[in-house]
Amino acid sequence: NAGVTQTPKFQVLKTGQSMTLQCAQDMNHNSMYWYRQDPGMGLRLIYYSASEGTTDKGEVPNGYNVSRLNKREFSLRLESAAPSQTSVYFCASGLGETQYFGPGTRLLVL
Amino acid sequence: AQSVTQLGSHVSVSEGALVLLRCNYSSSVPPYLFWYVQYPNQGLQLLLKYTSAATLVKGINGFEAEFKKSETSFHLTKPSAHMSDAAEYFCAVSDRGGGYNKLIFGAGTRLAVHP
Repeated sequence: NAGVTQTPKFQVLKTGQSMTLQCAQDMNHNSMYWYRQDPGMGLRLIYYSASEGTTDKGEVPNGYNVSRLNKREFSLRLESAAPSQTSVYFCASGLGETQYFGPGTRLLVL
Repeated sequence: AQSVTQLGSHVSVSEGALVLLRCNYSSSVPPYLFWYVQYPNQGLQLLLKYTSAATLVKGINGFEAEFKKSETSFHLTKPSAHMSDAAEYFCAVSDRGGGYNKLIFGAGTRLAVHP
């Protein structure tokens, strides 16, 4: 039981490049979430998926898109990366009120 | 709108001393409240949660927190700090969504424990 897994662990992009962050969970949770973590700001919700087939915007969705591929997988896409998107990205899955977090992806945009 | 304020971005204690990390929340509805811990280069791990049962909540690693509605607080305590408690701690609040919840996090408090 791996819990929540994220790939890649670390990525460097140039401004304007695109990439997809992958997230998968093996706990059969309905809800999944993407957060970004920046120093002094805690974690902020980018997008979430309450159940398979649905996605909704969180607090900071601009510049991102998501896909809930199936119940297990929830990907985050940056179409045209900007330096302001340099951050650590966390995926989480949820059962009721409790969320379980992945190890994170550290993204640097030059 | 819900919000969380963590007082003190850095807290330093001696090993064996009391740990007190402060969290105040704002919510228009009865909240769920959480404390998460993040060790260096790792994801967040749930320490404890309040979901309107007992107001004193016990978590893992000897931590506990007390929900005080009158003070809109949910402070985290541990009687005796250990070196392994050094980490960043996040308080979070959520509304009671139907089967899912959106967490609002505080800015975090980094705890240092010195010998």
